[in-house]
Amino acid sequence: DVKVTQSSRYLVKRTGEKVFLECVQDMDHENMFWYRQDPGLGLRLIYFSYDVKMKEKGDIPEGYSVSREKKERFSLILESASTNQTSMYLCASSLPLTAGTNEQFFGPGTRLTVL
Amino acid sequence: GQQVMQIPQYQHVQEGEDFTTYCNSSTTLSNIQWYKQRPGGHPVFLIQLVKSGEVKKQKRLTFQFGEAKKNSSLHITATQTTDVGTYFCAPTSGGSYIPTFGRGTSLIVHP
Repeated sequence: DVKVTQSSRYLVKRTGEKVFLECVQDMDHENMFWYRQDPGLGLRLIYFSYDVKMKEKGDIPEGYSVSREKKERFSLILESASTNQTSMYLCASSLPLTAGTNEQFFGPGTRLTVL
Repeated sequence: GQQVMQIPQYQHVQEGEDFTTYCNSSTTLSNIQWYKQRPGGHPVFLIQLVKSGEVKKQKRLTFQFGEAKKNSSLHITATQTTDVGTYFCAPTSGGSYIPTFGRGTSLIVHP
């Protein structure tokens, strides 16, 4: 079974702090994704990566950056956390479309509160 | 990203009643995925539809892809309390392989 893990289930930070959210997958997936989930808004894509050191902006990249130095690990960085970044952050991974199916496997999520 | 509308936002049903959620797009879709998220959990993949007019069944769940590939539906027959959760559609279109998630339909089943 694919396993996607995230470094923390709950995180509380202060405004202005630099925040790192880590995601690791163990199935050698090329694609990795970061979403945020807010009530009534569904899942919104922040960034995705289709290979090591490659990244693409999603729909809401402002205030975030990412890093993918190794295939299994995809990090989301909040350079200077703000209260409007309080949210549930979900990481996901998938095979490339050429594999025939690109279903996404999600981690358990990190609930971030910025005070 | 592309615009996809998922309705209704919430649905309350009595256990045993049927339930349907719809996903509508103004553009032609390449394929569409459906996910279920239990309360407190993370989204879990249910199915992917690719062909025009495709219908797939998983026990009490029936998934349809419209003939024009602009809409899709998920129908649950005789809901059970285990069906509680939020159902998301996630279509792709154009040359993108990245699904765009709808806002989801939250199903509440009353015993």
